[in-house]
Amino acid sequence: DTGVSQNPRHKITKRGQNVTFRCDPISEHNRLYWYRQTLGQGPEFLTYFQNEAQLEKSRLLSDRFSAERPKGSFSTLEIQRTEQGDSAMYLCASSLGGEQHFGDGTRLSIL
Amino acid sequence: AQRVTQPEKLLSVFKGAPVELKCNYSYSGSPELFWYVQYSRQRLQLLLRHISRESIKGFTADLNKGETSFHLKKPFAQEEDSAMYYCALNYGGSQGNLIFGKGTKLSVKP
Repeated sequence: DTGVSQNPRHKITKRGQNVTFRCDPISEHNRLYWYRQTLGQGPEFLTYFQNEAQLEKSRLLSDRFSAERPKGSFSTLEIQRTEQGDSAMYLCASSLGGEQHFGDGTRLSIL
Repeated sequence: AQRVTQPEKLLSVFKGAPVELKCNYSYSGSPELFWYVQYSRQRLQLLLRHISRESIKGFTADLNKGETSFHLKKPFAQEEDSAMYYCALNYGGSQGNLIFGKGTKLSVKP
């Protein structure tokens, strides 16, 4: 197992476009988290799944953001009508209820 | 509201010197605290958690509820300890949702 995998590693897009990121957690992990990290800040919690159920969403997750985990395995995070302020590193983590294991993240750059 | 504060953005020490990275928290419940580390070009990884009370890579951290602190300490810093260190608080109970501090960059000079 290579750990948590995130794709793509880097996404460059024009303002107003939609983007989708994918996270593949460690296979037996039932919990999956999305975080956002901007320069000079620590990771900020966005949303949390237990299996396929999305149990919590941060106020940071505006209506333009949606996340899914359709079969309780991989997850996707979609941002619609991207804005400059969406530029950040998007991190995914998974766990079995203890230590959270992080992926390398997807860096989103908005032109 | 819950909050994690790491007052130092950058901490620079010489090899062999003691190091202490400060972390203070604000939380009304029973706190569960962690230190995560990110080495250059690597992913974020757990260094230690207060409930395990173990020493990892020579680092220890003691939860002080009176001072609401969870400072990370090492008696003799090594160059390979240079990294970004984040203190995190579990505010989500069994869900495990974490709130992170802004991080402290530790630089250990030879």
